[in-house]
Amino acid sequence: DQQVKQNSPSLSVQEGRISILNCDYTNSMFDYFLWYKKYPAEGPTFLISISSIKDKNEDGRFTVFLNKSAKHLSLHIVPSQPGDSAVYFCAASASGNTGKLIFGQGTTLQVKP
Amino acid sequence: KAGVTQTPRYLIKTRGQQVTLSCSPISGHRSVSWYQQTPGQGLQFLFEYFSETQRNKGNFPGRFSGRQFSNSRSEMNVSTLELGDSALYLCASSLGSGEGYTFGSGTRLTVV
Repeated sequence: DQQVKQNSPSLSVQEGRISILNCDYTNSMFDYFLWYKKYPAEGPTFLISISSIKDKNEDGRFTVFLNKSAKHLSLHIVPSQPGDSAVYFCAASASGNTGKLIFGQGTTLQVKP
Repeated sequence: KAGVTQTPRYLIKTRGQQVTLSCSPISGHRSVSWYQQTPGQGLQFLFEYFSETQRNKGNFPGRFSGRQFSNSRSEMNVSTLELGDSALYLCASSLGSGEGYTFGSGTRLTVV
C-alpha cells in the first residue's frame, strides 16, 4: 500500500523553463510534506516543506503547492537550471508519527541546456 | 555547523554475517531516523530513536535493530545478513518536533 505516489518516473525540461513535479498521497493523517533532491550514492538534500495549514510555500526558485482536498502536492522550479538535474522525492509525515517520513518513488528531472 | 555523519561509507559483508552502522546527528538534534533505499522499494523507514528510546518502527524483520546513546549518536545493526539487505542505508536527524529532517550521505552495504 503506497501512501505517497509520484506517478511520473521522469521529466525533461529546457533550461529556463518551469519544472513541475507532482505527488499524490492517500493518508489523510499526513500534515507535513517535504521535497528532497537526491544524487546517486548520496543522502537526500532538503529543498522545501509545507504544513497542512498552508496551501503554498516559496523559497527562491522553489514553490510547493498543497491541495488538501485532492491530496495532491506539486513542486515548481522556476527557472530550471541544468544543476537541478537529479531525482526528486516527496515525503509526508503525520504529527502522530513524528520522525517517520513516507517517501514517494521519486521523479528523475533532467534539465537540458 | 557539522552535518549528519554516517560511517562507514561503504561496506561489503558475506551472507549470514552481521553488521553495525553508525550515525552521528547534528549537534542538538535528539531524533535519529533510519531508512533503507533499494532500487525496487525506494526509501523505506526502518525506525526512529528519540532520547535513547525507539519511538517509531517500520515494517522490517527483527534482524534489523538499533539503539541510541546519551549523546544522540545512533547505531543500526543487521544480523544474519541476506543478499536482499544490499542497499543504501540513510539516517536523518532532527530536533524531534516533526520538522527539519537532515540526512547523512549514507552507508552503501553490499552483501555477497
